[in-house]
Amino acid sequence: EPEVTQTPSHQVTQMGQEVILRCVPISNHLYFYWYRQILGQKVEFLVSFYNNEISEKSEIFDDQFSVERPDGSNFTLKIRSTKLEDSAMYFCASSEGVRLNFGAGTRLSVL
Amino acid sequence: AQKITQTQPGMFVQEKEAVTLDCTYDTSDPSYGLFWYKQPSSGEMIFLIYQGSYDQQNATEGRYSLNFQKARKSANLVISASQLGDSAMYFCAMLHMEYGNKLVFGAGTILRVKS
Repeated sequence: EPEVTQTPSHQVTQMGQEVILRCVPISNHLYFYWYRQILGQKVEFLVSFYNNEISEKSEIFDDQFSVERPDGSNFTLKIRSTKLEDSAMYFCASSEGVRLNFGAGTRLSVL
Repeated sequence: AQKITQTQPGMFVQEKEAVTLDCTYDTSDPSYGLFWYKQPSSGEMIFLIYQGSYDQQNATEGRYSLNFQKARKSANLVISASQLGDSAMYFCAMLHMEYGNKLVFGAGTILRVKS
């Protein structure tokens, strides 16, 4: 079964640095998402992306965050200047209908 | 506003027995979907089962079934014949169809299967 792939699996960065989390969605899917899960807490919606633009974003997704689909296969989440509270597991997901397929996640640790 | 409530922070079940994980939801929209995802200790999110708000039958996927009671706004997950590999965190989630397919998650229930 095709799957969503995310790289890296673990990213360690210094506070204030920029990070880019990468995702390759399932090839025929049209909707793309980023979610995050702070350790021990619930999974939170960040942003959805369709037709090369953001379709919805949460209050968490402030000016420090951006998403991009630079080519036909990748979908990236950039955090411009990381804060300690950005430490979390970040999940990419894609869908062609109602069912979201999640990647295995990238664990971001901000020191 | 949409809300998902999972009232059981943790559950134990004996291997080979059935277990029900509770989920209630709140929405004023007629069109929505309900999901269950499994998150093992390795961290990935694994899709288990989906129920649409207009579906007449309760969803089933192998050992997983969803007990959908629309009037009570509940969507409990039933796992039959529990296996040790079922030990994980389980999240109930609701999809709001009209707003970018955004999933709202519950707080999760940790299930431990005892041998």
